[in-house]
Amino acid sequence: DQQVKQNSPSLSVQEGRISILNCDYTNSMFDYFLWYKKYPAEGPTFLISISSIKDKNEDGRFTVFLNKSAKHLSLHIVPSQPGDSAVYFCAASAGGTSYGKLTFGQGTILTVHP
Amino acid sequence: NAGVTQTPKFRILKIGQSMTLQCAQDMNHNYMYWYRQDPGMGLKLIYYSVGAGITDKGEVPNGYNVSRSTTEDFPLRLELAAPSQTSVYFCASSYSRGPGTGSYEQYFGPGTRLTVT
Repeated sequence: DQQVKQNSPSLSVQEGRISILNCDYTNSMFDYFLWYKKYPAEGPTFLISISSIKDKNEDGRFTVFLNKSAKHLSLHIVPSQPGDSAVYFCAASAGGTSYGKLTFGQGTILTVHP
Repeated sequence: NAGVTQTPKFRILKIGQSMTLQCAQDMNHNYMYWYRQDPGMGLKLIYYSVGAGITDKGEVPNGYNVSRSTTEDFPLRLELAAPSQTSVYFCASSYSRGPGTGSYEQYFGPGTRLTVT
């Protein structure tokens, strides 16, 4: 049972345009969501997060939107740069006994063309 | 700070062999985790620890064991390696004072690529 899903395995955008990466979840107990970026042969690095009490969080070129009713979140990158080319993972965490544990999506490969 | 370090970077095991994947962090984080990532898949939690002496199973613990005798180290033991354990293994750590009080952000090591043949 895939509780966090990234339905687009890959996304290709032109430099300077917007990249939108999507993530859906099924577990209504998730209350914190994170995006990680991963380059080949490296570990994932934290990018941006959002608590379920918010619907938007911004950090420079990166904005995460959360739609709780639709159980959907998205990561917007504006403007996209070639250095943003990487695999992006969406992750979610629930409170209670699941606190601290992350459930990851399958990842989306983003390619930004010069 | 070195952050989270993992050794070895690569390893090839024969079926039935055992090995220990090492993980250390120098950020004084209380939580530590082991994940595996199979091709085209997300990371799946194997085991985690909320502090020295305390460990618990994650989503895919079968075939693995862990121990946490110090805050810094969290080794993962593979007994009787099987081809299904071919994967990339990531160790991670985070700091938290408990639910609702700390960050969920986890810091990852560079990974160990393991092949079992």
